[in-house]
Amino acid sequence: SQTIHQWPATLVQPVGSPLSLECTVEGTSNPNLYWYRQAAGRGLQLLFYSVGIGQISSEVPQNLSASRPQDRQFILSSKKLLLSDSGFYLCAWAQGSEGTQYFGPGTRLLVL
Amino acid sequence: GNSVTQMEGPVTLSEEAFLTINCTYTATGYPSLFWYVQYPGEGLQLLLKATKADDKGSNKGFEATYRKETTSFHLEKGSVQVSDSAVYFCALSDLGSARQLTFGSGTQLTVLP
Repeated sequence: SQTIHQWPATLVQPVGSPLSLECTVEGTSNPNLYWYRQAAGRGLQLLFYSVGIGQISSEVPQNLSASRPQDRQFILSSKKLLLSDSGFYLCAWAQGSEGTQYFGPGTRLLVL
Repeated sequence: GNSVTQMEGPVTLSEEAFLTINCTYTATGYPSLFWYVQYPGEGLQLLLKATKADDKGSNKGFEATYRKETTSFHLEKGSVQVSDSAVYFCALSDLGSARQLTFGSGTQLTVLP
């Protein structure tokens, strides 16, 4: 069966510091991968998606970037965090024609 | 473009009450429709889905029917439990290669004993 992992689970970082969040998927190959952000009490905002290795599409211009160095690995990065980057970051994968996405447990980021 | 509008929350019900959370959508073509549930501090879990008109998705006592004529996918449960307290998201999947999901804003449900 397929599983999706995210780490770290929680992160507290100072403003201006770099960021690296990792997402890995097991039990499938060539999935679509997605990064979402959920601010407190708000809905989900799609940040990036990838349909293959090295293929990244950005939905929202910001100081974040994403990379997909391996088929089942998706990384969210920043060179300098802003206060507004605080939130709950969710990774998801999908495969097949009807578009069901399966979400990881999330990373809670607090920028101080 | 695609959009999903769902019932504003929060919704507070007593245990064993009937639940309806309304969801309507705007989309081109025939998207797949989903309900996801998010428990406090966790990621989203797929609750149910429907891939074509008149399909009924069901899981854990929850049901939703894909109504093309009213562009709706309302979530219902006949008797809610305290453990159903969570945020519920309605979503649709576009038909492009990336299969992006468009989410509603979420509805917070609290069930009181």
